[in-house]
Amino acid sequence: QVHLQESGPGLVKPSETLSLTCTVSGGPISGYYWNWIRQTPGKGLEWIGYIYDTGRTNYDYSHRSRVAMSVDTSKNQVSLSLSYVTAADTAVYYCARAPGGLYYFDYWGQGILVSV
Amino acid sequence: QSALTQPASMAGSPGQSITISCTGSSDDIGGFNYVSWYQLHPDKAPKLIIYDVYRRPSGVSPRFSASKSGDAASLTISGLQAEDEADYYCSSYTTSASRIFGTGTKVTVL
Repeated sequence: QVHLQESGPGLVKPSETLSLTCTVSGGPISGYYWNWIRQTPGKGLEWIGYIYDTGRTNYDYSHRSRVAMSVDTSKNQVSLSLSYVTAADTAVYYCARAPGGLYYFDYWGQGILVSV
Repeated sequence: QSALTQPASMAGSPGQSITISCTGSSDDIGGFNYVSWYQLHPDKAPKLIIYDVYRRPSGVSPRFSASKSGDAASLTISGLQAEDEADYYCSSYTTSASRIFGTGTKVTVL
């Protein structure tokens, strides 16, 4: 069974960089798009972007200037960096898998709360 | 691009059916057959319950069904059960090659 686990600091200071890692077990990194999605307090889900196993990325326009994603296939991990954070970036951050060439998220992590 | 519009909350008694709407535009729902629905329970990983407008992943109850018409999609939960109490979100692919979510609907089983 595929399992995704987000990890990283739960508290980040304003103007600093939020860094999270998603560790994938029970399945390969290759052949899938790895997405980061967040849920801000009292609000809905917001797609941040994805990285493919080749390193190709696609970021939502609203985050493009502050986001960077990376993939480490040897460790089965994907990472998210969000720079110059503000209180508005306080959210539960999820990583989610999307099958290659398809447009839905079939496995999600449990999420990690990051407060700014 | 604004979020897709869903009712904030819906409620039903056990055994009843409810239908959650998800309204977008020709840039998302209306332009593609790539609508998906997710069930969120507190402290659990979100779960995919519908993809490609109406398809159910293996293991998802047939009590969940969905459809699309024009710029709007809908999710129907038939034979409502206590375990269906959760938040539900729709999602769509967009003309910007991004993904957009709905505003979310809290379902309460009375």
